[in-house]
Amino acid sequence: RKEVEQDPGPFNVPEGATVAFNCTYSNSASQSFFWYRQDCRKEPKLLMSVYSSGNEDGRFTAQLNRASQYISLLIRDSKLSDSATYLCAVALYSSASKIIFGSGTRLSIRP
Amino acid sequence: GAGVSQSPSNKVTEKGKDVELRCDPISGHTALYWYRQRLGQGLEFLIYFQGNSAPDKSGLPSDRFSAERTGESVSTLTIQRTQQEDSAVYLCASSDRGSNYGYTFGSGTRLTVV
Repeated sequence: RKEVEQDPGPFNVPEGATVAFNCTYSNSASQSFFWYRQDCRKEPKLLMSVYSSGNEDGRFTAQLNRASQYISLLIRDSKLSDSATYLCAVALYSSASKIIFGSGTRLSIRP
Repeated sequence: GAGVSQSPSNKVTEKGKDVELRCDPISGHTALYWYRQRLGQGLEFLIYFQGNSAPDKSGLPSDRFSAERTGESVSTLTIQRTQQEDSAVYLCASSDRGSNYGYTFGSGTRLTVV
């Protein structure tokens, strides 16, 4: 079983739609959680950290469910510019350790 | 510099040759990470440096791969006797506060072994 698993997609949704991605992680001792965005042939960029109480940044909402070991990302009112691959990432310890990335979910927003 | 800098941005090499990939982290960042991303795949962890030491090198795929860091700054990833399966983008990231806050990635080195 992979340490971090995501549905690869692609998700193809119309502009303005709401889209949600889930990601599961295998190690219950995981401490820190993130969503990264990666555009085609570019490096990943941190989109947002995910906190236990859930957090929102504009149109983006992230949730963490420790009991079920999954995190989610919700994008509301999607824009053409949201088209990218979204990577879920998990760190085992609170600091000084590697982040494990999922394989990513491809999102394509159509006009 | 303002961000993580990697060089070269592209490298084409013949099978069997050695290559060196360089990473300049953000100034003052004590943690440095190397990842590999094959075409259409996710990020594969290779090695992590804290200062000049490597507490976790569990992701290095074989003894052909090695990395070092000097002066708590520049890091070099060396691949000896390259194979075609080594073709990938090699990404470096740095952090000043550990993995709790995510990393900043460089733009990567695209390695093609022919």
